[in-house]
Formats: sequence, structure tokens, C-alpha cells
Amino acid sequence: AQSVTQPDIHITVSEGASLELRCNYSYGATPYLFWYVQSPGQGLQLLLKYFSGDTLVQGIKGFEAEFKRSQSSFNLRKPSVHWSDAAEYFCASRGPPGGGNKLTFGTGTQLKVEL
Amino acid sequence: KAGVTQTPRYLIKTRGQQVTLSCSPISGHRSVSWYQQTPGQGLQFLFEYFSETQRNKGNFPGRFSGRQFSNSRSEMNVSTLELGDSALYLCASREDSTGELFFGEGSRLTVL
Repeated sequence: AQSVTQPDIHITVSEGASLELRCNYSYGATPYLFWYVQSPGQGLQLLLKYFSGDTLVQGIKGFEAEFKRSQSSFNLRKPSVHWSDAAEYFCASRGPPGGGNKLTFGTGTQLKVEL
Repeated sequence: KAGVTQTPRYLIKTRGQQVTLSCSPISGHRSVSWYQQTPGQGLQFLFEYFSETQRNKGNFPGRFSGRQFSNSRSEMNVSTLELGDSALYLCASREDSTGELFFGEGSRLTVL
């Protein structure tokens, strides 16, 4: 069964500092990987996704993530955090087409940005 | 293009009652899936519908059910509500060409 681990429950960074949120996945083959962001009282917004190809993917709002098969990781990064980035971030995985759209989510990382 | 619309946004029920939540997907999207989000269990998959057929189901009791209509709108129903059913219920519609899921803002259910 697929599983996604986000080891950091809470992270606090200063505005302007760099950010890295960790995500590890467990899946037999290469999964489809996603990062979502959720602001309070809101639904989930897709930041970026990895299906195949270039292991460094660019997303919206200046975020990027790198797929590392050897480490089973898909960490999210941003070079300079803005106060508006404070939110909860979820890493998710899904099997290849034909297996349905079921996403397996990590437990989320709450990001706090200090001004 | 309008996004995924979920109604109602907030509702309060008492134990033993039942509830129906509605989801209107993005126009042209034929697949709808539902997720439950709670502080303790996180985001968990409930079920997925495509062209009025349930394609996938998560590990939830039979009190949780859903359906999809010919216009792709979907409803989920929870019968005999329990306190633990208090959660944010999220609906997502899928774009056929890219497989990307678009989430609604959710229906927040409180069971007293």
C-alpha cells in the first residue's frame, strides 16, 4: 500500500528565509507525486506535480520540488518565503493511470512565517 | 470557468441524524472524488465516481455513501451520524486530459 510521510508537523521560518518541507513516499513503482497548500477554512490548491521526466519541477508561487528516487523523497522548496506562504502543506501520491484517482496524503506540515 | 462548488459550507447536526452534502464539479469534468479531513486522521479518501459509477471506495463504514448524477454533480450521504464524523468534507473534480484534481472549499460538518 502507498504511504506518504511528512516528518515535520510544524515549521517556523523568518520572512525572506529559504524553506524546505520534507516528504517521503512508499510505493513499489514511481508514483505520481503532488504538493498541495491549504489556507485556513479553504480547500486544497495544487502547487506542483511530478509524473515523470525532469526530476526538478517548478510550481506556482515560486515553489519547486525535487524527486529523488534513491531517497524516496519529494521535498518542496522555496528560496525566499513570504508572509502569505503561512499555511498547511500536504504531500500526496497516486498510482499510475488506471488505478483511479485516489490520493494518499501525508499528515501535513504547518508553516508559520515570522515577520 | 467556475471552480468546484460544495454546499452547504457549514452545517451542524446531532448524533443519529443523517446529512447530505453536494458537489458540483468544474464544467466538463466527469470524475468526482470525496475526502474526509479531520485533525486526528488527516485527509482520507472516501470514494470516487466517474460517469455515475463508483470506481473506488475507501475504508469507511457503510453509513457513508455517495452517488453521481448524469450532469456529473455528486452527493455524499452520512447516516446515523456519530461525533467522530465531525470533519471537513472535500470534493475534487478531475480534469480528464491532465488528471489534475481541483478541490472545492469543503463542507464543514459538526456533529453534536
